[in-house]
Formats: sequence, C-alpha cells, structure tokens
Amino acid sequence: DAGVIQSPRHEVTEMGQEVTLRCKPISGHDYLFWYRQTMMRGLELLIYFNNNVPIDDSGMPEDRFSAKMPNASFSTLKIQPSEPRDSAVYFCASSTTSGGATDTQYFGPGTRLTVL
Amino acid sequence: QKEVEQNSGPLSVPEGAIASLNCTYSDRGSQSFFWYRQYSGKSPELIMSIYSNGDKEDGRFTAQLNKASQYVSLLIRDSQPSDSATYLCAVNINTDKLIFGTGTRLQVFP
Repeated sequence: DAGVIQSPRHEVTEMGQEVTLRCKPISGHDYLFWYRQTMMRGLELLIYFNNNVPIDDSGMPEDRFSAKMPNASFSTLKIQPSEPRDSAVYFCASSTTSGGATDTQYFGPGTRLTVL
Repeated sequence: QKEVEQNSGPLSVPEGAIASLNCTYSDRGSQSFFWYRQYSGKSPELIMSIYSNGDKEDGRFTAQLNKASQYVSLLIRDSQPSDSATYLCAVNINTDKLIFGTGTRLQVFP
C-alpha cells in the first residue's frame, strides 16, 4: 500500500512566484493535514480537512496561503506570492478516525521549499 | 507558555544506556499523547501512543504519562546508534488535531 505521496520533493523559486504543493493521502483516510517545519518553530499545523472539508485553518500564516481538497485523493497548498520566509519543509499527513479520536497520522516525505 | 514543551537537546547517551526524553503540556483536557521519531531529512513516524496514566511498554520503548503533572516521557532502553534522531512529543488538543513540541535531538554514541 502506497503511503502519503507529495510532490514536488524539492522546489526552488524566486520571491513573488506562485508555488503549488501537492498531496495524495492514503486511500480510505478521511483526515488530511498540512504542516510546515522549520528549525526555529518546529512542526506547525497549517490546516486540516475532514472528508474534504476544511475544518481548521487557524494555522495558515496569512492570506498568501491557501489550501484546497477537491476530492478524497488530492489536496493542494498554494503560496502566492511566495516570500523567502516561506522557506521550510512542508509535510502532508493523513489519518482515519478511530473511537472518536484521530488515529495515527502518517506523514508524506515532505516538500523542501526554498524561496530566493 | 507553549502548549507542548520539550528540551531541544542534544541528549547524548552511550550505546546500551537508557535514554529519557521528557515533555510537558499545558492543556489539562488533553487525552491522547504520541511520540514520533524523525531522522534527519526524513518525515516523522509514530513510535508510541499513550492514553492512560501510567506506563506503556513496546519493545525497548516505554511511554509514561502523568496527567496530574501534565507530563509525558519516553524511555529507550539499550539505546543503539540507530536510535539517534529527533523525538517529537505530540498532544491531542481536541479530537482532531495534534500539537507538536519542537523535539529533542538524541545522540547515541558507540
């Protein structure tokens, strides 16, 4: 069974450009999470979806960030325009519900974003 | 105060010793607690979960939870160089999402 798939694995772009990160969750999982990881701030939750519906986007840093989940097998995180401080590793994770609480979150390999 | 706090380390232990990793959390309503391991350049992977006060053992790993003290720990017995990684503590704040600590870097030297 394939795990969480993310693309691209590495992205280098210039300030002001649009960046789109993609994620395919594990089949059958009904939760999808987007995280950002930096040395200074650690692993931060940006937004999460349940059954393709955004539930909590309070971690999205500003309006330049947006996320969509058009169907159960695909999600995107978009940054427009990008800035150097957006440089980080972006992880997507998925999980399923068990006993009323989310089960183990399975992380994708991450996208390392560098904004010059 | 951060919601989940960990000492950043590095924690250095010799091979074969017990490594003790600690985590405190601020929300008394938290119900679920997790330890993730993250190797350098890789993604986090779950190694232990604990939901009730006391100890939970899985192989060389033991998770300990004390809700009264808002404290969760991870013990690694017979530490191996392959255990060298960053260990992330995560707490379920509501039923849907996790809050992660910034992690403790563990170094096990031969």
